[in-house]
Amino acid sequence: ETGVTQTPRHLVMGMTNKKSLKCEQHLGHNAMYWYKQSAKKPLELMFVYNFKEQTENNSVPSRFSPECPNSSHLFLHLHTLQPEDSALYLCASSQLAPSAGMAPSTNTGELFFGEGSRLTVL
Amino acid sequence: QQQVKQSPQSLIVQKGGISIINCAYENTAFDYFPWYQQFPGKGPALLIAIRPDVSEKKEGRFTISFNKSAKQFSLHIMDSQPGDSATYFCAAARGISGSARQLTFGSGTQLTVLP
Repeated sequence: ETGVTQTPRHLVMGMTNKKSLKCEQHLGHNAMYWYKQSAKKPLELMFVYNFKEQTENNSVPSRFSPECPNSSHLFLHLHTLQPEDSALYLCASSQLAPSAGMAPSTNTGELFFGEGSRLTVL
Repeated sequence: QQQVKQSPQSLIVQKGGISIINCAYENTAFDYFPWYQQFPGKGPALLIAIRPDVSEKKEGRFTISFNKSAKQFSLHIMDSQPGDSATYFCAAARGISGSARQLTFGSGTQLTVLP
């Protein structure tokens, strides 16, 4: 149990459906991420939220729409997806990277991942 | 995103042997280099990480070796065990103070340790 929970674990949807993936973290972190994991490819960063503010969108198609209502919850809304969007979608959370001059602490800015939502688009 | 190249893609090692996975990066601004371990059906979990001010870090059977001038780093698993069979990812990030840490991942190495 990593403290990051993703639902659903498996999702099958048609190209015209609308669905959402949910992520919840119980670690008190203030940054959350969506990654896409496809076979034989590096994990691809999709979105980053820092204190509920989206700070990065790595050229992700508009058919993926993130929502971060608070620092503990993250959603990925899906609509009119393509078969090539089939993949494992991973949510992660972290504290922000340590600031220069901060007193030493256990904060390494480490990412904690959920177990992922396996998406299949027919 | 700057690329992180990882090799080999797959690795088979006998129990008790040494597993070595290599990564190379391009962006000299990277200052945080973690290794993640992923078992089937699970998300990646941090195994060990290093900063470029040291050349080696050891935690139990796992060691990271870091060569700043060559822009390369590697993971060594000593006395490899069947339970170490998993996919290993190297990653790199520029740790901008007070910001979310954006990792660039390698493509992964599937390690199989034979009993």
